[in-house]
Amino acid sequence: SYVLTQPPSVSVAPGKTANITCAGNNIGSKSVHWYQQKPGQAPVLVIYYDSDRPSGIPERFSGSNSGNTATLTISRVGAGDEADYYCQVWDTRSDHAVFGGGTKLTVL
Amino acid sequence: EVQLVQSGPEVKKPGESLKISCTGSGYSFTSHWIGWVRQMPGKGLEWMGIIYADDSDTRYSPSFQGQVTISADKSISTAYLQWSSLKASDTAIYYCARFTSMGKGWFDPWGQGTLVTVSS
Repeated sequence: SYVLTQPPSVSVAPGKTANITCAGNNIGSKSVHWYQQKPGQAPVLVIYYDSDRPSGIPERFSGSNSGNTATLTISRVGAGDEADYYCQVWDTRSDHAVFGGGTKLTVL
Repeated sequence: EVQLVQSGPEVKKPGESLKISCTGSGYSFTSHWIGWVRQMPGKGLEWMGIIYADDSDTRYSPSFQGQVTISADKSISTAYLQWSSLKASDTAIYYCARFTSMGKGWFDPWGQGTLVTVSS
């Protein structure tokens, strides 16, 4: 089955840029979606179709996808961005949704 | 406003059955898939399966096939997740979410989650 690999944790200083990666075999050929989950809350979609932002999501959130790696980029990071972030694709071969293991973003 | 509202927390004993619900509003329930996602304590998101509300076409993750049943009642815009015999390892938060498009879609919005605790 298709596997998505994320780093368990990423740390960044306030005001800097965080890059969270999601690795998968030829992931560039798939549509990648990203979710933010804060403690005690349900996940929220922050990026869909690799780089599109839902309404209400700040422009500081952006995404890219090429080759074997997709990346969620959060610029001008603040304390409010501390959360777990998950990538997700639909694996057409197995007809299943797949989530990455999640990355905990810590703002130093 | 598109919204999914899930049933309340449950405390059950091993071996008991359970059915939790997810009711959609603010959109055409029968035109979308609904997915279920498990989150065990302190762990990540696991996709369990999805159902197309109009005809109840259902897909299961191999990890959950035979362990749970996903169903829907389109007349009341509600999807269900049920167990016939719970285990302690079923203790988790279960989320439902609208799935946008088969083949490449994403989950949005999500329900608030239902905490299921299984303990003797």
